[in-house]
Amino acid sequence: QKEVEQDPGPLSVPEGAIVSLNCTYSNSAFQYFMWYRQYSRKGPELLMYTYSSGNKEDGRFTAQVDKSSKYISLFIRDSQPSDSATYLCAMSAVGGTSYGKLTFGQGTILTVHP
Amino acid sequence: SAVISQKPSRDICQRGTSLTIQCQVDSQVTMMFWYRQQPGQSLTLIATANQGSEATYESGFVIDKFPISRPNLTFSTLTVSNMSPEDSSIYLCSVSTGTSSGNTIYFGEGSWLTVV
Repeated sequence: QKEVEQDPGPLSVPEGAIVSLNCTYSNSAFQYFMWYRQYSRKGPELLMYTYSSGNKEDGRFTAQVDKSSKYISLFIRDSQPSDSATYLCAMSAVGGTSYGKLTFGQGTILTVHP
Repeated sequence: SAVISQKPSRDICQRGTSLTIQCQVDSQVTMMFWYRQQPGQSLTLIATANQGSEATYESGFVIDKFPISRPNLTFSTLTVSNMSPEDSSIYLCSVSTGTSSGNTIYFGEGSWLTVV
């Protein structure tokens, strides 16, 4: 079993839809959670990061963490064709030798069509 | 945030040769890392580049295959040695900014290597 599981999709939605992207994890040491967006032939771009359970909002993006269920989500409101990309969840433990080391999900390919 | 530049951005390499990838950051950072992203796959951590000492490698990666240098707090190199087609991947440099209780991790644009 992988430490981080993410549905690879692909996911296709119409413009304006609400998109829900999800990851589950098995390592309870993970305390730091991130979402990256990766366009084709580009490096990952950091979208959101959070440490605590609950919701964190930034514009059209909301990151949700449920540590008790080991489940994280990214919601995209009013999705746009420019949101079409691969979305990667990533997480790490904190402190000591874990500092800065990320474990990634497989990535979800999202297409938003006009 | 940090601006990370990688060179080369892409290359086609002959089997059996070695290639060195450079990573330059626009500010001093404590932690630098190298990741690999194989075609259609997610990112896997290769090693932590330690300034002034040997890199720390993750399971499955060895220094002879992926030697790393970190001469200062803004620069690192990764060499992919004795390349085979299985080494065809994107190699990504990342940096961590912040304190040990909270860090933000940024990536460069990647170096796309094709081994023929």
